Amino acid sequence: DIQMTQSPSSLSASVGDRVTITCRASQDISNSLAWYQQKPGKAPKLLLYAASRLESGVPSRFSGSGSGTDYTLTISSLQPEDFATYYCHHLDTFGQGTKVEIK
Amino acid sequence: QVQLVESGGGVVQPGRSLRLSCATSGFMFSNYGMHWVRQAPGKGLEWVAVIWYDGSTDYYADSVKGRFTISRDNSKNTLYLQMNSLRADDTAVYYCARDRERLSPRYYFGFWGQGTLVTVSS
Repeated sequence: DIQMTQSPSSLSASVGDRVTITCRASQDISNSLAWYQQKPGKAPKLLLYAASRLESGVPSRFSGSGSGTDYTLTISSLQPEDFATYYCHHLDTFGQGTKVEIK
Repeated sequence: QVQLVESGGGVVQPGRSLRLSCATSGFMFSNYGMHWVRQAPGKGLEWVAVIWYDGSTDYYADSVKGRFTISRDNSKNTLYLQMNSLRADDTAVYYCARDRERLSPRYYFGFWGQGTLVTVSS
């Protein structure tokens, strides 16, 4: 089974900061990666798929990159509504999640 | 608009069974693969099962294989999860999710229900 290792597990940031979350697969996953945002008590929301394709309606400050085993979610300028937990996902495996908190 | 509404959760004793339903609307249900994903209290997301758009194929997480069965009724636009031999570690919010892509699933979960809580406890 492919393992997905996400880092960091949590981070503190301020509004306007650039935030980067990484996800490493245990083998080449050929860009078959999604990123989700989840707020407390709510269902996850798809942000990006196929590693870098922005889902309809998602702000352009969210971007994804990477290839092979290493992938990155970047929030270019953190907004108040972005404080949440983020998960990477490949097929049947999710990363452990990254909680983005207010500094 | 796309809507997914889960039901059937509740408190159940270990070893007993429960069936979850996911009623859908706003899209051609018979064209999309469907998934169940769960989240134990305070924990991360865990994929549970997938069923192809026509019901021809299904796959399960190792943790539920042999105990859970995913099914669908395309005439009723409804997805199901039959859960047997429930254990304490099955306690979670269960979400149904629609694949983003038509026909064969790509495992991009574009739409989610609000979730239904299953608590396994004596």
